[in-house]
Amino acid sequence: AQTVTQSQPEMSVQEAETVTLSCTYDTSESNYYLFWYKQPPSRQMILVIRQEAYKQQNATENRFSVNFQKAAKSFSLKISDSQLGDTAMYFCAFMKHVAYSGAGSYQLTFGKGTKLSVIP
Amino acid sequence: NAGVMQNPRHLVRRRGQEARLRCSPMKGHSHVYWYRQLPEEGLKFMVYLQKENIIDESGMPKERFSAEFPKEGPSILRIQQVVRGDSAAYFCASSPLTGGNEQFFGPGTRLTVL
Repeated sequence: AQTVTQSQPEMSVQEAETVTLSCTYDTSESNYYLFWYKQPPSRQMILVIRQEAYKQQNATENRFSVNFQKAAKSFSLKISDSQLGDTAMYFCAFMKHVAYSGAGSYQLTFGKGTKLSVIP
Repeated sequence: NAGVMQNPRHLVRRRGQEARLRCSPMKGHSHVYWYRQLPEEGLKFMVYLQKENIIDESGMPKERFSAEFPKEGPSILRIQQVVRGDSAAYFCASSPLTGGNEQFFGPGTRLTVL
């Protein structure tokens, strides 16, 4: 079974500054996917960024980037130029790769989340 | 293209009643997932369905909980004889294909058991 650990229950950052949220995971799988989801006060789950484990290049989406260290099983999220709208819960999630439809489940395993507050 | 729809958004039940939560996946999506979020916790997987089939129900409690995704109509998560511990937010997600594709989440149903 997979586990995902987010060791920072709460963090804060000044507007326009940079913040890094940490995530570690444990798995025996060699091929998998990692995600960061954002949950604002509206509680809607929004995908922020996604990384395929077989790709060495770190994923980037505008102000969001990841530092994926496969050997260390670490997957941190960096938010640059923080904005007030970034205030939310952030969840790290793991999905194992399934070779073909019917061969397994695509369930997401989530960490407990990090509550990020952006301070004006 | 409408997103994943869930209804009701809020549901209040008394202990012992039944709760029915509905999820309409995005158009063209044939895979549905249900997750439960307890207060101050991350989402926990419950069940994964394709049309007319339960693929993985390893996260479902053994009793009182059931799910279906019929050929026509929304996916239903049913909780019989609800207890206070069932109070949570229940999220549905859908995806068009499998294997690492994004799961698109609905807004969730917040169930409160009195």
